[in-house]
Amino acid sequence: EAAVTQSPRNKVAVTGGKVTLSCNQTNNHNNMYWYRQDTGHGLRLIHYSYGAGSTEKGDIPDGYKASRPSQENFSLILELATPSQTSVYFCASGENRGNSDYTFGSGTRLLVI
Amino acid sequence: AQKVTQTQTSISVVEKTTVTMDCVYETRDSSYFLFWYKQTASGEIVFLIRQDSYKKENATVGHYSLNFQKPKSSIGLIITATQIEDSAVYFCAMREGNYAQGLTFGLGTRVSVFP
Repeated sequence: EAAVTQSPRNKVAVTGGKVTLSCNQTNNHNNMYWYRQDTGHGLRLIHYSYGAGSTEKGDIPDGYKASRPSQENFSLILELATPSQTSVYFCASGENRGNSDYTFGSGTRLLVI
Repeated sequence: AQKVTQTQTSISVVEKTTVTMDCVYETRDSSYFLFWYKQTASGEIVFLIRQDSYKKENATVGHYSLNFQKPKSSIGLIITATQIEDSAVYFCAMREGNYAQGLTFGLGTRVSVFP
């Protein structure tokens, strides 16, 4: 069954540390996305990719990097984690057409202390 | 400025009745796509239904249907014969222009279905 799998499900990180959130999809979708979800802000786009080797900035990219080494994998990297990055992060995949819906992962809950 | 606005924060309904929730959007594109997603209590986010801007007919999938009013930039979600399992947060989202770009989401409407 095609799916989007995120790891880890939960993460506690220290301020200033490096955090990597991973996402793997078996949908063979070209496009992948990273969102964060916060109360009062909904889902906000951080980075996206339209294929292996590509990454693009979304609406709130500051403090985040992304990496797409293959069609299946898309990582979100926090080089210097801050408490303001405490959030729930969702990865999604979709086809490269306007009417394509997303398949979401189950989310990663990140706490930066 | 918010491109996708859901004004209703929460709605409570009795089981087996109909619930309607609103969404208005802003775009300058002539072609765009509107989506509704459901987030369950466990946090899972699933796609429900889509409306393509160039289609005049309202989309329907199962007991979900849309009320697309293009002149008002409005896309309402209607759930008929609600069940307890429909209790969730519902997000409206839009994609415009560049197909590779992500969806823009509204803040969501929490629906609680009571017996």
